[in-house]
Amino acid sequence: QKEVEQNSGPLSVPEGAIASLNCTYSDRGSQSFFWYRQYSGKSPELIMSIYSNGDKEDGRFTAQLNKASQYVSLLIRDSQPSDSATYLCAVNKDQAGTALIFGKGTTLSVSS
Amino acid sequence: GAVVSQHPSWVICKSGTSVKIECRSLDFQATTMFWYRQFPKQSLMLMATSNEGSKATYEQGVEKDKFLINHASLTLSTLTVTSAHPEDSSFYICSATEEGGSPLHFGNGTRLTVT
Repeated sequence: QKEVEQNSGPLSVPEGAIASLNCTYSDRGSQSFFWYRQYSGKSPELIMSIYSNGDKEDGRFTAQLNKASQYVSLLIRDSQPSDSATYLCAVNKDQAGTALIFGKGTTLSVSS
Repeated sequence: GAVVSQHPSWVICKSGTSVKIECRSLDFQATTMFWYRQFPKQSLMLMATSNEGSKATYEQGVEKDKFLINHASLTLSTLTVTSAHPEDSSFYICSATEEGGSPLHFGNGTRLTVT
């Protein structure tokens, strides 16, 4: 069964710093990778998707994928207190569909 | 962007009763919808995959007779928790994807409390 592993944290960074969130996955055949942000009591919202090795940048967010190491990360530049949330890493469950397997999430706390 | 509406956002029910949760795709046709459950401090766990016009596919360990899923149209899927018990108290979240599309769009979730 596929597994997605994340450090639960909390990860604490000062405002303006770079937050680095990491995720490993067990299935070498995984093709699609996602980072979601979840505020307490709310449903997840998509931040980034990445499908090929390398970096993908979107504003203050950069996703990095290394399929050889089965590793995906999310960098948040110029962290803001509003970025404080739980960040969930997800990978596709199988190639046939779009169901996702989620990690337990890393809690990020950005202090002002 | 794609919007998924989930109703109700929270519900309290007595043990032994049934609760229905609706999930609607508002601006796209969702051929596939997914139901997840999240316990406190835990991650989202996939319960079942729902395809329009066919029976849902349940994940291992999820009782299909307890969690009834109906995907009657391309914009609506419902989850009915039958004979609810306190251990069913959880955050239930639906998600949907357009045909051939990803990633998933999530509803706002339903907080179920069974007393």
